Amino acid sequence: SQQGEEDPQALSIQEGENATMNCSYKTSINNLQWYRQNSGRGLVHLILIRSNEREKHSGRLRVTLDTSKKSSSLLITASRAADTASYFCATDEGGSEKLVFGKGMKLTVNP
Amino acid sequence: DAGITQSPRHKVTETGTPVTLRCHQTENHRYMYWYRQDPGHGLRLIHYSYGVKDTDKGEVSDGYSVSRSKTEDFLLTLESATSSQTSVYFCAISGGQGGLNIQYFGAGTRLSVL
Repeated sequence: SQQGEEDPQALSIQEGENATMNCSYKTSINNLQWYRQNSGRGLVHLILIRSNEREKHSGRLRVTLDTSKKSSSLLITASRAADTASYFCATDEGGSEKLVFGKGMKLTVNP
Repeated sequence: DAGITQSPRHKVTETGTPVTLRCHQTENHRYMYWYRQDPGHGLRLIHYSYGVKDTDKGEVSDGYSVSRSKTEDFLLTLESATSSQTSVYFCAISGGQGGLNIQYFGAGTRLSVL
């Protein structure tokens, strides 16, 4: 079953703008991760936020987590054409050895 | 994709034939995973391994079997391929350091079952 669901499913913006994507999940988690997938490639880990954290930064990425609402958001600031990719959230279902991925969100950054 | 090699990268086969996909890692990671990715479904777990000869089913395991006889190799077998198994298959690995399941993915295998 799909744990995380990204929203919106597709987003098109201009270079320099910020991009925000949201993820909702259903069960308790220990942590939530975001991955990026460029066309024709495998997924690449971007950032992990633990359940006891509310916000985390990594370069131009900012992730928030609201466990009371079972939701997370990924903000990419000052977007670049190279950020064009699909983005997935993934949760660990409360410490499982498995990750459950959302269906992904396609971001297009126009030059 | 560093440290993870999937083979073959592309395969076309006929319905009813057996197919084996190979995932090879050089990272000595404990956990290995097989996923399939289909439009509208995202990434779904087929099987995973938590050690040599230790495997477990994922969400969509029917029609698939796996084997892990060495730490570095995780094989996915379609005993009798069907058209519904046409997909892109990804292998992933995780060391589980610090109790965190950060996964590293291979480049994928595109399988077409005609």
